[in-house]
Amino acid sequence: SQQGEEDPQALSIQEGENATMNCSYKTSINNLQWYRQNSGRGLVHLILIRSNEREKHSGRLRVTLDTSKKSSSLLITASRAADTASYFCATGRQGGKLIFGQGTELSVKP
Amino acid sequence: SAVISQKPSRDICQRGTSLTIQCQVDSQVTMMFWYRQQPGQSLTLIATANQGSEATYESGFVIDKFPISRPNLTFSTLTVSNMSPEDSSIYLCSVEQGVRGEQYFGPGTRLTVT
Repeated sequence: SQQGEEDPQALSIQEGENATMNCSYKTSINNLQWYRQNSGRGLVHLILIRSNEREKHSGRLRVTLDTSKKSSSLLITASRAADTASYFCATGRQGGKLIFGQGTELSVKP
Repeated sequence: SAVISQKPSRDICQRGTSLTIQCQVDSQVTMMFWYRQQPGQSLTLIATANQGSEATYESGFVIDKFPISRPNLTFSTLTVSNMSPEDSSIYLCSVEQGVRGEQYFGPGTRLTVT
């Protein structure tokens, strides 16, 4: 399969804790994008990191990219119950195509 | 970011019929994409739709089953033809926008085939 791998598949934490999700992929990429999806609704774009970048921040989100290991991680700090959702990484390829990982289901308990 | 709308938001259809899904963007975009998300699964790219040219389909998807139109730079349709229960999925359109190549998604169309 061309799809990437994400781990863990499911993550349950308490409010205030940090959540880390990992994404691995197989071929070269132009960029890597992270998305959030609540209960099967549309995808919300969180952050994009280019292949020549190593780290990006946006509010409580921190994304790292290691192209030598073909992996990325998404860190959500000080999690909230509202962060409960599925999180997907997607690798950007030539022509704008996105290849999605399998997703991580995050549950943040109040 | 682009504002993307899709119609219908959901539908329940009979086996053997067809459904056309519309995707409207509030600004002109060159590239539009159609994805499928089967129940409990991740997203899979169906095709890339550029204005003025035939859609490009990914492996496993064919034009007869998923015909696509792209009449202008703000609109596209995806038809799911001769539906079977296996076509029950969420169908999402997306556009690439922004200098960094961010891709934004519509709210999706939830299709149930009975």
